[in-house]
Amino acid sequence: GAVVSQHPSRVICKSGTSVKIECRSLDFQATTMFWYRQFPKQSLMLMATSNEGSKATYEQGVEKDKFLINHASLTLSTLTVTSAHPEDSSFYICSASRSAAYNSPLHFGNGTRLTVT
Amino acid sequence: RKEVEQDPGPFNVPEGATVAFNCTYSNSASQSFFWYRQDCRKEPKLLMSVYSSGNEDGRFTAQLNRASQYISLLIRDSKLSDSATYLCVVNKDNYGGSQGNLIFGKGTKLSVKP
Repeated sequence: GAVVSQHPSRVICKSGTSVKIECRSLDFQATTMFWYRQFPKQSLMLMATSNEGSKATYEQGVEKDKFLINHASLTLSTLTVTSAHPEDSSFYICSASRSAAYNSPLHFGNGTRLTVT
Repeated sequence: RKEVEQDPGPFNVPEGATVAFNCTYSNSASQSFFWYRQDCRKEPKLLMSVYSSGNEDGRFTAQLNRASQYISLLIRDSKLSDSATYLCVVNKDNYGGSQGNLIFGKGTKLSVKP
């Protein structure tokens, strides 16, 4: 069964509104979670690393004030897309790993398909 | 060379066929290698990790050639349910403890036909 849950799976919003996406680890504690974005026919691109109890680490080119990340507990990270615009329409996916070992595979949430009109 | 490069396909094969996917990576310091499968409009799911000695899981065999910086995935006796996009995933460097350093290929699309 799923080990990482993401909600909502689909959202349509108007330009200028904010959208919050939740990512939960279901049966393990995740001090670190990762947020990815995937445009059609493109590879997953890491946006940021969410760290429990501290600030997220953003990848180059990702605006931290636009993509707000909060990792308030060991099982929950949220990504808020603020003042969304049509170019933010994408597939957003979170992930976490049971272990901090570098060769521990990632488990992904089911993704959130965001459409900004 | 791109960080992780895959033939995008699509590979259209009949049921029962054997199909092989290749992937090359640019960073010789990479230590972790995976194959994920992604169904259309779904999240990626781990198919298998790739070990230096090569590893097999049922109909799937993964191999790693560090000298050539090359990874392969072989699928035998293809099933209709194998239709998906297969992602080659490599860690960016040899840092320990940070799975966020994973680089995803664009994927190779496989379509298995009856």
